[in-house]
Amino acid sequence: DGGITQSPKYLFRKEGQNVTLSCEQNLNHDAMYWYRQDPGQGLRLIYYSQIVNDFQKGDIAEGYSVSREKKESFPLTVTSAQKNPTAFYLCASSRTSGQYNEQFFGPGTRLTVL
Amino acid sequence: GDSVTQMEGPVTLSEEAFLTINCTYTATGYPSLFWYVQYPGEGLQLLLKATKADDKGSNKGFEATYRKETTSFHLEKGSVQVSDSAVYFCALSDRETNAGKSTFGDGTTLTVKP
Repeated sequence: DGGITQSPKYLFRKEGQNVTLSCEQNLNHDAMYWYRQDPGQGLRLIYYSQIVNDFQKGDIAEGYSVSREKKESFPLTVTSAQKNPTAFYLCASSRTSGQYNEQFFGPGTRLTVL
Repeated sequence: GDSVTQMEGPVTLSEEAFLTINCTYTATGYPSLFWYVQYPGEGLQLLLKATKADDKGSNKGFEATYRKETTSFHLEKGSVQVSDSAVYFCALSDRETNAGKSTFGDGTTLTVKP
């Protein structure tokens, strides 16, 4: 079955450490996205990529970094510069053309900084 | 820029009650419209979608009609169940300008009591 996988589901990190969240899709989508969701809040866009080897900052990119070396993969690194990284992180993908360009979401990674 | 405004929550209903969650949008182009649902601890799932004026999206008893004249896409269900308890997000994507990127509302939390 096609879909998006995120790993791990739960992640714990000590302050000052960088951590990388994995996101893989087998939907052959060109575009991929990372969102942050805080308790009781909506989605905030961190980074997005519409083609391999290219990506753009979203609304809250500070303290985060990404890479897009393969179409299927879009890992997110939460760096020590991110002041409040504890949150639920969602990865998504979509087509970039056509009428039905809805986003397909992974199950999420819950990051807790200890 | 594009924006989506959702009815503020939380919304609490008794089982078998009628549900309406309001959604209005602002877009520079001619967007596709979506409703997503998020169950606790999970990613978002597409609930229904519509791509042009007067289209009605429907799924699992939920419906929403694309109203261009009022720039609205209200979600309705005639008889809610406890299992419908979730967070509902309205979203738009301008297929001519955004190449898959979506704008999301803040989400509306629905709780259905037996």
